[in-house]
Amino acid sequence: SQKIEQNSEALNIQEGKTATLTCNYTNYSPAYLQWYRQDPGRGPVFLLLIRENEKEKRKERLKVTFDTTLKQSLFHITASQPADSATYLCARQNQAGTALIFGKGTTLSVSS
Amino acid sequence: GAVVSQHPSWVICKSGTSVKIECRSLDFQATTMFWYRQFPKQSLMLMATSNEGSKATYEQGVEKDKFLINHASLTLSTLTVTSAHPEDSSFYICSASVGGVSYEQYFGPGTRLTVT
Repeated sequence: SQKIEQNSEALNIQEGKTATLTCNYTNYSPAYLQWYRQDPGRGPVFLLLIRENEKEKRKERLKVTFDTTLKQSLFHITASQPADSATYLCARQNQAGTALIFGKGTTLSVSS
Repeated sequence: GAVVSQHPSWVICKSGTSVKIECRSLDFQATTMFWYRQFPKQSLMLMATSNEGSKATYEQGVEKDKFLINHASLTLSTLTVTSAHPEDSSFYICSASVGGVSYEQYFGPGTRLTVT
């Protein structure tokens, strides 16, 4: 069955540094991957979608890559700020194409 | 951007009672809405996919007679937890998409259910 794994439960970095979060998937390459931010006690908020044929996508301080050889997506936040502290989730489509499967998330803490 | 609301934001009920949670897309029409459950420190687990005007599709292991889903209009889906038990206590989140799962999903703020 297709899986999506975010191996790091937590990541702690200092303000101003670049945070890099990893998402790995198994089996076939999904047509796209999505990244979301979730704050405690809140629903996730969509950040970026990257398609299989897009190696890299950017949005302000965010950058996402998609490596079909490594079966991996990297999510970068440059010039990180304490306000970036949250849990970040990656998601892929299920095989039937009817729903999203979410990883467990990586909780990022940015200290000032 | 697209806004999804949920009501109530939290609810406490007694074991054996039923609870209804509403999910509304406020500024767009959603042909498909999704219901998730999230336990502490866990990922979102899809419970069911709700299509307007038709029966919901439940994920394996989710009891459809216990978690009743109704999607009567393009802007409203409801989840009713029937005969709730303490193990049903969780964070329930809905999402809606303008174009199915190929597009970003807009999530509601979630409903914290506590069954005593």
